[in-house]
Amino acid sequence: AQKVTQAQTEISVVEKEDVTLDCVYETRDTTYYLFWYKQPPSGELVFLIRRNSFDEQNEISGRYSWNFQKSTSSFNFTITASQVVDSAVYFCALSEETSGSRLTFGEGTQLTVNP
Amino acid sequence: EAQVTQNPRYLITVTGKKLTVTCSQNMNHEYMSWYRQDPGLGLRQIYYSMNVEVTDKGDVPEGYKVSRKEKRNFPLILESPSPNQTSLYFCATSTGGLPYGYTFGSGTRLTVV
Repeated sequence: AQKVTQAQTEISVVEKEDVTLDCVYETRDTTYYLFWYKQPPSGELVFLIRRNSFDEQNEISGRYSWNFQKSTSSFNFTITASQVVDSAVYFCALSEETSGSRLTFGEGTQLTVNP
Repeated sequence: EAQVTQNPRYLITVTGKKLTVTCSQNMNHEYMSWYRQDPGLGLRQIYYSMNVEVTDKGDVPEGYKVSRKEKRNFPLILESPSPNQTSLYFCATSTGGLPYGYTFGSGTRLTVV
């Protein structure tokens, strides 16, 4: 069965600090997809990234970067030089090939960036 | 514009009064599902549908019903809402095949008093 764990319930940083959000997953499939979503205070879910299990290259998009390590079943998300607008709840999610389109979410991490 | 439309955005109701939250998509997606979001628990799947007239239970189906009479619509029905169903609800759609891509509705914040 698929499972995603985000052990950090809340993180608080000061603006311009770097912050890493942890995500650990469990799956028996060899083909799966990992996702990160952002949920700002307005409540909608904003898609950030999708990564398939065969692509372990790290990805960088502006101040955001993702580190995918199959050896430790982790897909961590780093925000460099954080800003107040980064304050949100962040969710990591997993979809397995054998589970069809089922998406399993982690518990979420509330990030607060203080000025 | 590709979108998933949920209505209403906010709803306050009383215990036992039947309600329906609608979800409609214009992307011809096969797969539709409902999630509820609760603090500390993330999003949990309530029901999903692989296609018209095909629905199945997710992780937390108790107290909910769904139907999929048309491809574009997937309403969530609470026959007798209770306070423990106070939550933020999301409808999501997907093409149903690899690579999985999901489109979420804007969410419905339901309060049952």
